[in-house]
Amino acid sequence: EAGVAQSPRYKIIEKRQSVAFWCNPISGHATLYWYQQILGQGPKLLIQFQNNGVVDDSQLPKDRFSAERLKGVDSTLKIQPAKLEDSAVYLCASSNPGAPGNTIYFGEGSWLTVV
Amino acid sequence: QKEVEQDPGPLSVPEGAIVSLNCTYSNSAFQYFMWYRQYSRKGPELLMYTYSSGNKEDGRFTAQVDKSSKYISLFIRDSQPSDSATYLCAMNPLTGGGNKLTFGTGTQLKVEL
Repeated sequence: EAGVAQSPRYKIIEKRQSVAFWCNPISGHATLYWYQQILGQGPKLLIQFQNNGVVDDSQLPKDRFSAERLKGVDSTLKIQPAKLEDSAVYLCASSNPGAPGNTIYFGEGSWLTVV
Repeated sequence: QKEVEQDPGPLSVPEGAIVSLNCTYSNSAFQYFMWYRQYSRKGPELLMYTYSSGNKEDGRFTAQVDKSSKYISLFIRDSQPSDSATYLCAMNPLTGGGNKLTFGTGTQLKVEL
């Protein structure tokens, strides 16, 4: 079974520029998540989708971050304009609500450096 | 006060040692407790999950939950250099349709030859 796919793996941009990250979840997983992990910290949930609807975006900085999952499969997370403090790993994850424990599976992450 | 507290380490042990990793939490609504392992430059990988209080064993790994003390542990027996990674605890109230994990900061473990 293929895992969660993310691209690009690494990105360096200047502050005030924009960046977009793409995610393809595990096949059949209805729930998709974007987490932000700053160096030395645990991942923090930014947004959770159930199919193509938003379940939780309470910690998404909506003035600069946006995310969409138009067809209920893959998703894009955009940051515009980027700030220095956005330097982090952006982890996409997915889960199947019907599976035992509703286990969340993570991709390898997209590493963003804002200079 | 953070909802989940975890000692960041680093923790260095000799090969073959028993490792104990711990987290405390403050939210009594947490029901599912998970341990993730994260190698450098990789995403977190689920090791184990437990529901409510009790123990769960999987090979060299044992997860323990004490809800009365709001304390969870992960034990690694016969530790190997390949166990060197950051270990993240995560918790989930699993209310309604949500599945919102709250993570600890992670403990960096190094197992030395």
